[in-house]
Amino acid sequence: DIQMTQSPSSLSASVGDRVTITCQASQDISRYLNWYQHKPGKAPKVLISDVSNLKAGVPSRFSGSGSGTHFTLTISSLQPEDIGTYYCQQYDHLPQFTFGPGTKLEIK
Amino acid sequence: QVQLVQSGVEVKKPGSSVRVSCKASGGIFSSFSINWVRQAPGQGLQWLGGIVPISNLPRYAQMFQGRVTITADTFTTTAYMELSTLRSEDTAVYYCAVAARPDYFFAYWGQGTLVSVSS
Repeated sequence: DIQMTQSPSSLSASVGDRVTITCQASQDISRYLNWYQHKPGKAPKVLISDVSNLKAGVPSRFSGSGSGTHFTLTISSLQPEDIGTYYCQQYDHLPQFTFGPGTKLEIK
Repeated sequence: QVQLVQSGVEVKKPGSSVRVSCKASGGIFSSFSINWVRQAPGQGLQWLGGIVPISNLPRYAQMFQGRVTITADTFTTTAYMELSTLRSEDTAVYYCAVAARPDYFFAYWGQGTLVSVSS
């Protein structure tokens, strides 16, 4: 099975800061990588699919990059509503899916 | 627009089984990839497995293989997840989540079902 890691596991930043979350795969997953935001008491929400494809309605301050084994999610200017836990997710075409362990984002 | 409605809270004893349902409306059910994801208290998201009704071939995460069974009924557009030999660590909120093919991301989610396992 492919293993996913994320760093940092938690992060505290100020409103307006640029925030970067990293996701690493244990083997080459090409561009088969999605990002989700999860807030307590709500269902997770997809932000980005296939590394960099911003989903409809997601603010343009979110962006993704990477390929192979190393990926990043960037928030260009952190807003208060961005607090939550962020997960990367890899997939294959069986299909099977694996989530990263998550990065909890808080406002300073 | 796809809507997913899950069954209600379950309270179970260790060693028993639980079955959670997920009723889908909207979209083309048979072509969905219907998946089950859980979040235990203080833990992250875990994918348990999924099924594409048109192929009726389930896929399971290795750590749940042998303990989870996922099925889908195309007539009632309802998917089911059954988890057996429950232990306290299975206490979690269980979500169904759909990827609308040809996409491979979970665009639609159920509201979540709390399964509590306690003696």
